[in-house]
Amino acid sequence: TQLLEQSPQFLSIQEGENLTVYCNSSSVFSSLQWYRQEPGEGPVLLVTVVTGGEVKKLKRLTFQFGDARKDSSLHITAAQPGDTGLYLCAGEGEGAQKLVFGQGTRLTINP
Amino acid sequence: DTAVSQTPKYLVTQMGNDKSIKCEQNLGHDTMYWYKQDSKKFLKIMFSYNNKELIINETVPNRFSPKSPDKAHLNLHINSLELGDSAVYFCASSQLPRLNTEAFFGQGTRLTVV
Repeated sequence: TQLLEQSPQFLSIQEGENLTVYCNSSSVFSSLQWYRQEPGEGPVLLVTVVTGGEVKKLKRLTFQFGDARKDSSLHITAAQPGDTGLYLCAGEGEGAQKLVFGQGTRLTINP
Repeated sequence: DTAVSQTPKYLVTQMGNDKSIKCEQNLGHDTMYWYKQDSKKFLKIMFSYNNKELIINETVPNRFSPKSPDKAHLNLHINSLELGDSAVYFCASSQLPRLNTEAFFGQGTRLTVV
């Protein structure tokens, strides 16, 4: 079974601070996705990383795929209250026909 | 115009009842999924259909039965509901079964069994 472990599970910081969220596995994934979920809504895709070492930027969010394609990180610069939400990483599971999700990082940005 | 829509959004029912959750997508996708999110926010796949054909059936009790009348719809029927079935159920769709493509999720159905 391919497992994705996210850390930290909970993070509460002040507006303007920087933060990094990690997604780790002992398995190799062909790609990893990051989703953001707000209360009462379904997850929404932020980014897909495919190549080992790949870095993608989405405004203040920077996503990196590990060289060995076993881990990924999400870095947020100058966090804002609008960044508050549940961040989920997901990888292509065995058989390449399903998404396997991490347990999520609940991020709270305090004004 | 909602891409993936589920009904109902909230469902409160007693143990032992049978209930259905409906899902429709208007994206023209071939693949649809049901996920269960527990109280700890862990999302776990239950079923996946590609063009009305079941391709993934995780270890889910037989009381859960998906039905796909056409590739735009994937409904979930649950028999003899138990307390442990309480969770948020998400329907999702993607263009392909492969996961370099984006999965679009519905708003979820919060099921509470009392």
